[in-house]
Amino acid sequence: AQSVTQLGSHVSVSEGALVLLRCNYSSSVPPYLFWYVQYPNQGLQLLLKYTTGATLVKGINGFEAEFKKSETSFHLTKPSAHMSDAAEYFCAVGTWGSSYKLIFGSGTRLLVRP
Amino acid sequence: NAGVTQTPKFRILKIGQSMTLQCAQDMNHNYMYWYRQDPGMGLKLIYYSVGAGITDKGEVPNGYNVSRSTTEDFPLRLELAAPSQTSVYFCASSYGLAGVQETQYFGPGTRLLVL
Repeated sequence: AQSVTQLGSHVSVSEGALVLLRCNYSSSVPPYLFWYVQYPNQGLQLLLKYTTGATLVKGINGFEAEFKKSETSFHLTKPSAHMSDAAEYFCAVGTWGSSYKLIFGSGTRLLVRP
Repeated sequence: NAGVTQTPKFRILKIGQSMTLQCAQDMNHNYMYWYRQDPGMGLKLIYYSVGAGITDKGEVPNGYNVSRSTTEDFPLRLELAAPSQTSVYFCASSYGLAGVQETQYFGPGTRLLVL
């Protein structure tokens, strides 16, 4: 069975500081990994995803994530936080043959201080 | 394109009442999904559909029903509302040709309160 753990329900950073949101997964087969972002009162939208190939994945709004199989991790980073990055971020995992089902983590709310 | 639309945005139900949450997409996606989002719990899949006339259960289907008579619409029915169904409900869709690795597109959500 697959699972996703997001460390830290809330992360607070200063504007201009590094953003690091942690995600660890459990899967017995090669995973597909996703980061979705949810802005207040909106639905989720895709930030980036890893399916195959390059393990460093670049997404929208300057975010990137690196798939590390040995650490079963897919942490999300951004070099310099902007006020507009304040949102809730969800990591998700899926595998081929899982009937198109994604397993979502519990989310991390990012707060950006001026 | 409007993308994925959901109605209503907010609803209060009394215990035992029924209602239908509406979801529509105009992207000609084959796959559609219903999730619920509880505070601090992430999203849980309720039901999904791989095409008109085909639906299947997700992780938390009890207390819900779905139908898919057209490609565009995927309504979610609550027959006997219970307080445990208080949640935010999201509908999503994807092309479905490449399986679970595809991007899912989400609607804005329906906030449901059962009292």
